[in-house]
Amino acid sequence: NAGVTQTPKFRVLKTGQSMTLLCAQDMNHEYMYWYRQDPGMGLRLIHYSVGEGTTAKGEVPDGYNVSRLKKQNFLLGLESAAPSQTSVYFCASSMRDNYGYTFGSGTRLTVV
Amino acid sequence: GIQVEQSPPDLILQEGANSTLRCNFSDSVNNLQWFHQNPWGQLINLFYIPSGTKQNGRLSATTVATERYSLLYISSSQTTDSGVYFCAVDPVVSNQFYFGTGTSLTVIP
Repeated sequence: NAGVTQTPKFRVLKTGQSMTLLCAQDMNHEYMYWYRQDPGMGLRLIHYSVGEGTTAKGEVPDGYNVSRLKKQNFLLGLESAAPSQTSVYFCASSMRDNYGYTFGSGTRLTVV
Repeated sequence: GIQVEQSPPDLILQEGANSTLRCNFSDSVNNLQWFHQNPWGQLINLFYIPSGTKQNGRLSATTVATERYSLLYISSSQTTDSGVYFCAVDPVVSNQFYFGTGTSLTVIP
């Protein structure tokens, strides 16, 4: 049972490049989330999904897009990367909205 | 938006000591979680505790929702307890969790 798997683990992008982060969970969870973690600011929610085919904006959605075409996968896209998007990105999932989260191991993204 | 304040921001303990971490929040919440982020960055869910008290081994947590705070107790601390402890709250008027800035704990042998 792998839990929540994030790929890639590390990535360096040039300003203006695009990329997609993949989150996969094998726990049949309905809810999935993308957070970013910056020094001194805790974790902030970017986007989330309450089920296959649904997405919603979180606290800091600008510059990101997401898709949930399959229940087990939640993709986070950066269309035109900016240095301000340098961060550690975490994916999480939960059975539903009043259950605890399971986090992936994170993706460290640097935009130069 | 809701304010989530954790105290103390930093804590250094001798192995075997006990500690209490606090999480204050500014609005009514539906749910509250405590997490431990280990030195390698992995986030582990410790407690899902919207109210009341829960215990798991050397750790326990209490949430008093009416007074807008939660406490995390660590007894007989071990070096493996080192890391950052976050609380996250789900406000009544929202459907997402907001994280505090964490308490960084260092346990020295």
